[in-house]
Amino acid sequence: GQQVMQIPQYQHVQEGEDFTTYCNSSTTLSNIQWYKQRPGGHPVFLIQLVKSGEVKKQKRLTFQFGEAKKNSSLHITATQTTDVGTYFCAVAGGTSYGKLTFGQGTILTVHP
Amino acid sequence: DTGVSQNPRHKITKRGQNVTFRCDPISEHNRLYWYRQTLGQGPEFLTYFQNEAQLEKSRLLSDRFSAERPKGSFSTLEIQRTEQGDSAMYLCASSPGGAGNQPQHFGDGTRLSIL
Repeated sequence: GQQVMQIPQYQHVQEGEDFTTYCNSSTTLSNIQWYKQRPGGHPVFLIQLVKSGEVKKQKRLTFQFGEAKKNSSLHITATQTTDVGTYFCAVAGGTSYGKLTFGQGTILTVHP
Repeated sequence: DTGVSQNPRHKITKRGQNVTFRCDPISEHNRLYWYRQTLGQGPEFLTYFQNEAQLEKSRLLSDRFSAERPKGSFSTLEIQRTEQGDSAMYLCASSPGGAGNQPQHFGDGTRLSIL
């Protein structure tokens, strides 16, 4: 099945600094989804990318899908304390529609 | 807005006991998934239902695990003869049907602790 490696595992930033997490695969991905999980919470869907080179923005968040569809990134501009949490990339599909294979996640800590 | 509901929120049991968890998906969603998450890891797929049909089970799911969705609405996940390694958060998610991969909506999970 499709697997994704996510880096870094941890990221500590000062409030106002930027943050980026990367998701990489050795195989071509059909799609990639991003989820955020707050401490003590459940994963919450952020975005899905399906096209080569796709870039989508949500306020301070920018999501990219690589031209070769083997990598993706999530960039947060000017982090805020509300951005704290774990960010996961996940690949949907396989033999079951939408079955998600998650990366290991990047834990973001924002210091005020 | 009624999201995905799971109960109980927490379950503490002794090793060897059986446990059952319930998931109520968003009402119009016909796809239902179970995942397991341990500390510091991403959710790990366990099984998937399309309506009442269980279409896929992870190879990681031992014979002690069984899931049902008898009327295509709520689902139950049962673990028999629990072991220490079963301690984890069990997450349920649902999504609409139709073509393509849809966003999944997760419940708050059931945290299982095996004594």
